[in-house]
Amino acid sequence: NAGVTQTPKFRVLKTGQSMTLLCAQDMNHEYMYWYRQDPGMGLRLIHYSVGEGTTAKGEVPDGYNVSRLKKQNFLLGLESAAPSQTSVYFCASSYWASPNTEAFFGQGTRLTVV
Amino acid sequence: AQTVTQSQPEMSVQEAETVTLSCTYDTSESDYYLFWYKQPPSRQMILVIRQEAYKQQNATENRFSVNFQKAAKSFSLKISDSQLGDAAMYFCAYSWGEYGNKLVFGAGTILRVKS
Repeated sequence: NAGVTQTPKFRVLKTGQSMTLLCAQDMNHEYMYWYRQDPGMGLRLIHYSVGEGTTAKGEVPDGYNVSRLKKQNFLLGLESAAPSQTSVYFCASSYWASPNTEAFFGQGTRLTVV
Repeated sequence: AQTVTQSQPEMSVQEAETVTLSCTYDTSESDYYLFWYKQPPSRQMILVIRQEAYKQQNATENRFSVNFQKAAKSFSLKISDSQLGDAAMYFCAYSWGEYGNKLVFGAGTILRVKS
């Protein structure tokens, strides 16, 4: 049982390039989330989805787009990467809407924008 | 806005001893949940313990327990009989609302365990 899988694990981009991070979960979870982790700031919510075909903005959505075309996948796109987007990105998923539900995290993607 | 503050960037503990990690939060909500997550060097986020705000009893999970003071908006984590495998970054997190488990995290505390 793979859980939450993120692709790729590492990536280096040049300023202005675009890329897509893929998150896949095999637990039939309705809810999926993208966070970024920066030193001294913990994890911050970028975008989230409450079901297939839905997306919503989180705390720091600027510069990112997302899509949830299939229930098991949640894509995070950077159209024109900037050095400020250098970070570790985490995808998470949960089954219920209740806020006490455990969120399952992927292993993160370390992105460096030069 | 909801905020979570971890005032200890780094803590050290001797193996087999007890350590307490601090967390305070700010919210106007009456019903919410609090979590401690562990992040070892592998980067994997692991749920350590959770507390429901309407429950007065402090949560415990084996060697991990919390001291939840709702009026003071404080949620500290106590690790007893510390082990080398406890060395990690620990994040305090808060969740509320009806649409999924959106988490607000603190900045984290690095815990070092000395043998």
